[in-house]
Amino acid sequence: DIQMTQSPSSLSASVGDRVTITCQASQDIGSYLNWYQQKPGKAPKLLIYVASSLETGVPSRFSGSGSGTDFTFTISSLQPEDIATYYCQQYDVVPRTFGGGTKVEIK
Amino acid sequence: EVQLVESGGGLVKPGESLRLSCAASGFTFMSYSMTWVRQAPGKGLQWVASISSTGTYIEYGDSLKGRFTISRDNAKKSLYLQMNDLRAGDTAVYYCARDKGPYSNSLQHWGQGTLVTVSS
Repeated sequence: DIQMTQSPSSLSASVGDRVTITCQASQDIGSYLNWYQQKPGKAPKLLIYVASSLETGVPSRFSGSGSGTDFTFTISSLQPEDIATYYCQQYDVVPRTFGGGTKVEIK
Repeated sequence: EVQLVESGGGLVKPGESLRLSCAASGFTFMSYSMTWVRQAPGKGLQWVASISSTGTYIEYGDSLKGRFTISRDNAKKSLYLQMNDLRAGDTAVYYCARDKGPYSNSLQHWGQGTLVTVSS
């Protein structure tokens, strides 16, 4: 199985800060990477697909980049409503594994 | 509006079986691949199984094939997950999700989830 390693596992930042989460795949997955946001008690929400494509309706402060084994997810200016856990997921190979998640909190 | 509504969760004993259902509406169900994802309490997401739009192609997560069976009924616009020989480690919220589009594998729409608790 492809292992997806996310870091950090949690972070605390101030409103307006730039937040960066990394996701590393244990083998080359091309650009077959999704990013999801999950708020407490809610289902996940697709934010980014194919590593860098923004899902319709998602604010432009969210972005993704990378290919191969190293990927980055960025919130350019953290907002209070962005408090959530973020997950990467590879879909190059079955099983389509998720990263362990990054919990984002407001400082 | 796309809606996915899971049902069938509950409390079962180890070794018992359970069948989850996911009722779809608001889109042409027969045109989309569907997926089950689960989340143990306080833990991360785990991909469980996917089924193609026609049901021809089925894929399972490791260690689940043989105990879990994904299926669909396009006429009823429903997705199913038959879970046998349940174990404590299967305790989780189970979500059904719809792909973004053909060959997408990005999970664009999710249900609210149904909780399965396996305990004696």
